[in-house]
Amino acid sequence: EVQLVQSGAEVKKPGESLKISCKGSGYSFTSYWIGWVRQMPGKGLEWMGIIYPGDSDTRYSPSFQGQVTISADKSISTAYLQWSSLKASDTAMYYCARHALGSSPRYWGQGTLVTVSS
Amino acid sequence: DIVMTQSPDSLAVSLGERATINCKSSQSVLYSSNNKNYLAWYQQKPGQPPKLLIYWASTRESGVPDRFSGSGSGTDFTLTISSLQAEDVAVYYCQQYYSTLSITFGQGTRLEIK
Repeated sequence: EVQLVQSGAEVKKPGESLKISCKGSGYSFTSYWIGWVRQMPGKGLEWMGIIYPGDSDTRYSPSFQGQVTISADKSISTAYLQWSSLKASDTAMYYCARHALGSSPRYWGQGTLVTVSS
Repeated sequence: DIVMTQSPDSLAVSLGERATINCKSSQSVLYSSNNKNYLAWYQQKPGQPPKLLIYWASTRESGVPDRFSGSGSGTDFTLTISSLQAEDVAVYYCQQYYSTLSITFGQGTRLEIK
């Protein structure tokens, strides 16, 4: 069974750094792309970027380029989303999702709620 | 980026009635080499991740009730729920994956019971 399990909720202060994770199981982790999606409170879905764990090829949505870093450690089947300096506007639910090139994401993590408040 | 625009933003339909949600893309998502529309529909209920309902614009995901159907081609698409059930209350999103490495979503349509 394909599963994406995300790390738990985080509460941080502005300016702090953060790295959240998404662990894949039940499939070949290096054979599928993992994308990250932001959902701000009460708002819609925004595609942030994507990584291919097989070779770490990474692409970012223009809106998120330079704002976050996406990475992966294929040895432990885990993808990451990180911030070097959080802002209050980073408060959101973050989802990871798996898909193949040319297909729609079918499998999603349960989400990680990030709250940034002073 | 391909911009996806849904209409309406919200919709209230009586139980058992038809619900229709529209989605328009800023450029065609029809890939001519395989004649497939790279358009998906998702359902999101409160506190849950999105759930894939429809892909290739009209192919129902396994396990999705047949009251859900998708249609359209090129730039104009429709999600239809033929007979609304209480459990269909949710926000629905269209998504293009024509630009697989730059996926975009519509703004969402909130579906409620009238």
